[in-house]
Amino acid sequence: QSALTQPASVSGSLGQSITISCTGTRSDVGGYDLVSWYQQHPGKAPKVLICEGTKRPSGVSNRFSGSKSGNTASLTISGLQAEDEADYYCCSYASSRTFVFGTGTKVTVL
Amino acid sequence: QVQLVESGGGVVQPGRSLRLSCAAFGFTFSSYAMYWVRKAPGKGLEWVAAMSHDGSDDYYADSVKGRFTISRDNSRNILYLQMNSLRVEDTAVYFCARDPGWRLSRYFFDYWGQGALVTVSS
Repeated sequence: QSALTQPASVSGSLGQSITISCTGTRSDVGGYDLVSWYQQHPGKAPKVLICEGTKRPSGVSNRFSGSKSGNTASLTISGLQAEDEADYYCCSYASSRTFVFGTGTKVTVL
Repeated sequence: QVQLVESGGGVVQPGRSLRLSCAAFGFTFSSYAMYWVRKAPGKGLEWVAAMSHDGSDDYYADSVKGRFTISRDNSRNILYLQMNSLRVEDTAVYFCARDPGWRLSRYFFDYWGQGALVTVSS
């Protein structure tokens, strides 16, 4: 159950697009279409942005999109806004009803 | 609306026990799988445990297996996490979270509580 690998930080200017990667193995990211992405502001509970790899739950802005290629999943934030500054985590199902989170990425809006 | 409220956090010495509770409101608790997730200070999120909607199955991260027990009381709409043999590295904010699948897991977390802080220190 090793954590999925994410870049520690990503930054972008207002209105720009950024992409956060999430690399795992065939036993987690690559083995299932069950990657989810969460946004967490300091002191707050996480909020789901993407589920089942590419789906946006009801109420989530269409500026957030998910994709996957092999053992790497990605979250793209388009039209970067000030309120997007937060920590982002990927999470994958990893067999036998267990899960593994990513190491987390701090997004800074310049 | 859906609401999850954790309680039971606090300061405890290494080796001791603590039980967290998560009260659920606004949905049919007995129809949804539930989870515990934690965030240690300065670290990322870590999945801790899962329980099926009817309480028949439970699953744990290797880091807590044999020490923590997840359970639920569907008559009272409460999820529990019994934490034994606590270690300094168990210090974290513990969140309960819901799986959105009705009686069939979808394997993500759609609603989260506000978290309960557990500090393990001598």
